[in-house]
Amino acid sequence: TQLLEQSPQFLSIQEGENLTVYCNSSSVFSSLQWYRQEPGEGPVLLVTVVTGGEVKKLKRLTFQFGDARKDSSLHITAAQPGDTGLYLCAGVRGGSNYKLTFGKGTLLTVNP
Amino acid sequence: GAGVSQSPSNKVTEKGKDVELRCDPISGHTALYWYRQSLGQGLEFLIYFQGNSAPDKSGLPSDRFSAERTGGSVSTLTIQRTQQEDSAVYLCASSLGVGGFYEQYFGPGTRLTVT
Repeated sequence: TQLLEQSPQFLSIQEGENLTVYCNSSSVFSSLQWYRQEPGEGPVLLVTVVTGGEVKKLKRLTFQFGDARKDSSLHITAAQPGDTGLYLCAGVRGGSNYKLTFGKGTLLTVNP
Repeated sequence: GAGVSQSPSNKVTEKGKDVELRCDPISGHTALYWYRQSLGQGLEFLIYFQGNSAPDKSGLPSDRFSAERTGGSVSTLTIQRTQQEDSAVYLCASSLGVGGFYEQYFGPGTRLTVT
């Protein structure tokens, strides 16, 4: 059983469209992170959310942490081809401030 | 400055052989992590080193896997008697510390293929 479920697994859209990626769990996380990974590279941290209900914006990307700290979403407005990549959510559970549990990722392709 | 580096970038080995994967963390980072990324499984935590503390080996999948961190810097992940299911990308990350939550910086990974 995957602790963090990401959906959708694959997403192919046209430039200019909006999209949302979801990260869900039945467990509570003390913090949750979103990463973006490109082929042949390691994941790069986009944002960390720590407070239930927290919303953070990074240009066209909006991240939200659920009130109960069990789920999160990533919304991209007016997607661009440069947004193409594997988006990963990862959480830290209480009792460990370093061990990241990752979702399987959402592979996003933005077509020009 | 230099990021996390890993070598080799690709490794093809025969089943049953031993392999060593190397990680050079960012200078000054006291925490070092190894992860495995395989198709269908996502990223899995393997092992964590912090300073001179005993490492957290709770993610190592079997006793064929071991890791060392010498002098608080370079780390080597060793897989003995490799099996085909060991084929994956092995990622190393380092962070400045672990108080609160410090960002983990990932290397590009080593792609291991066991034939």
